[in-house]
Amino acid sequence: DTEVTQTPKHLVMGMTNKKSLKCEQHMGHRAMYWYKQKAKKPPELMFVYSYEKLSINESVPSRFSPECPNSSLLNLHLHALQPEDSALYLCASSQGRGPFNYGYTFGSGTRLTVV
Amino acid sequence: AQSVTQPDIHITVSEGASLELRCNYSYGATPYLFWYVQSPGQGLQLLLKYFSGDTLVQGIKGFEAEFKRSQSSFNLRKPSVHWSDAAEYFCVGNDMRFGAGTRLTVKP
Repeated sequence: DTEVTQTPKHLVMGMTNKKSLKCEQHMGHRAMYWYKQKAKKPPELMFVYSYEKLSINESVPSRFSPECPNSSLLNLHLHALQPEDSALYLCASSQGRGPFNYGYTFGSGTRLTVV
Repeated sequence: AQSVTQPDIHITVSEGASLELRCNYSYGATPYLFWYVQSPGQGLQLLLKYFSGDTLVQGIKGFEAEFKRSQSSFNLRKPSVHWSDAAEYFCVGNDMRFGAGTRLTVKP
């Protein structure tokens, strides 16, 4: 299995809702990432889990909450989002962290719309 | 700051024509460089990567890239573009720092 699987593919949620995005990989990768991508922009790193330890991009608001139940799964919990949070959310994984990671494998993303 | 730069926001080529997408880097040591492609609304696919060694790197889908230290460049090339190559292309450097991207349009 050489894929990163993200669910759901599309999500529409209200500003008072709580929802979760899920990401799964079975390549034995030990680092997993959440990215946010607005239209016509490159992906922006939100969170990194490396060997199940979290690194946070401190500019990410607390209404986004990552969770890594095990080395194959990565969740992103969403609560009280704003319309400007509407974007494509990408999950990625790599063998390890840093420049020796041999490149990331990306999922196809979750298209999130906040209404 | 250490980064990669893609000077071309949008490029249009005719189907069957050759393609070169530019990427410049600003790292002191030998960088780790990647090219990714993203079709509309999709995730990113790794085309090729450079760590060290042979400066001409072959990738998937007929793409290649050449690392030129003297020019601080890692340009992506394809000898004959197909309509399905229309997409956004990202050059990525150390610690997965993304360039701004180049959108490729292919004319029939």
